[in-house]
Formats: sequence, C-alpha cells, structure tokens
Amino acid sequence: AQSVTQLDSQVPVFEEAPVELRCNYSSSVSVYLFWYVQYPNQGLQLLLKYLSGSTLVKGINGFEAEFNKSQTSFHLRKPSVHISDTAEYFCAVSVSGSARQLTFGSGTQLTVLP
Amino acid sequence: DGGITQSPKYLFRKEGQNVTLSCEQNLNHDAMYWYRQDPGQGLRLIYYSQIVNDFQKGDIAEGYSVSREKKESFPLTVTSAQKNPTAFYLCASSNPGTGTEAFFGQGTRLTVV
Repeated sequence: AQSVTQLDSQVPVFEEAPVELRCNYSSSVSVYLFWYVQYPNQGLQLLLKYLSGSTLVKGINGFEAEFNKSQTSFHLRKPSVHISDTAEYFCAVSVSGSARQLTFGSGTQLTVLP
Repeated sequence: DGGITQSPKYLFRKEGQNVTLSCEQNLNHDAMYWYRQDPGQGLRLIYYSQIVNDFQKGDIAEGYSVSREKKESFPLTVTSAQKNPTAFYLCASSNPGTGTEAFFGQGTRLTVV
C-alpha cells in the first residue's frame, strides 16, 4: 500500500517570500502525484498533478512542484506568496490501476503573514 | 455548470439518530467517493463506488452506509453506530483510469449535539 507524509503541519511565511511545502511518498509501484488546496470550510481544488514526463510540473496560482523519484518526493514551491495563498495544502498519491484513487497526506497549513 | 453538489452544508444531529448526507454530480463520472476529514488527519476514505449498484468499503467504513442506485448520486448515511461522527465530510468523483484527478464537492460539516 502507498502512503504520503507531509513533513510540516504548519508553515508561516511572510508575504512575497518564497515557500516550499514538503511531501514524501512510499509505494512499491509507479504512482501519480497531486497537490490540492483547501480554503476554510471548502472542498479541495486541484493545484497540479504529475503523471509522467517532465519532472517539473506547473500548476495554477503560480505554484510548481518537482517529482524526484530517487528521493520519493514531490515538494510544492512558489517563488513569492500572497496573503490569498493562506490555506491548507494536501499532497496525494494514486497508484496505477487502483480503484481506490487517492491516498492523502495529513496536510500543511500555510499562513502568509503581512 | 458541471460539478459536485453536497447538501446540506451544515448538519446537526442528536446522538442516536441516523442522518443522510447528499452528494450529486453532473460530470458523468463513473466513480464516486466519500472522505472524512478531521483536524490534523488529512482525508480518510469511507466508501467508494466504481459503478452503479456497486460499492466498496474504504479505510473507515464502520458506522457508515452508502447506496449507488444512480450514476449521479452517492448518498452517505451516518448511523448511530458511528461513535464519533462529528467531522467534515467530502464527496468526490472521478473517471477511474490513468492518473485522473478527483473533483470534490464543498463538503458537509456534521455536528452531533
């Protein structure tokens, strides 16, 4: 079975600073990787996904993530954050051929400070 | 607009009562899912369904039941057997296949009073 670890539960950062949210996964087979964002009392919105090909994936709202197979990581980055980026971010993995779809990490609360 | 609709947004239940959460999608997706979200624990899979009239237990199915009589609908019943039902419940749908992402509803916050 696959699992996802988000190493930081809370990440405070000042506005216009860069940010990296860390995600590591474990799986014995090939995986697909996703980052979702959740605003308070809302559902989840897809930021970006890695299926295959280029290991650098660009998503919405200026976010990007890099798939590193040797380190089993999929860290999310943004070069300059805004107050509006304050939200909870979830990393998720799915396994090819799995009907169970997504396994989620425990989430990282990003708080952007003025 | 295509999407997933969950209702109600907020729900209060007395202890010992069953309650049903609604989830409807018009995305023509085959698969539907129910997740439970608790603070600091991410999302945990309750039930999922790949096709009409078929569903499978997820990681935390005890105290919950579902039905899938129509492709568009996947209601979740929280029964009195669920010991700690207060949580945020999220419904999702997807077309199962290579790397397709799940689309989520806006959630239902259930509180037991």
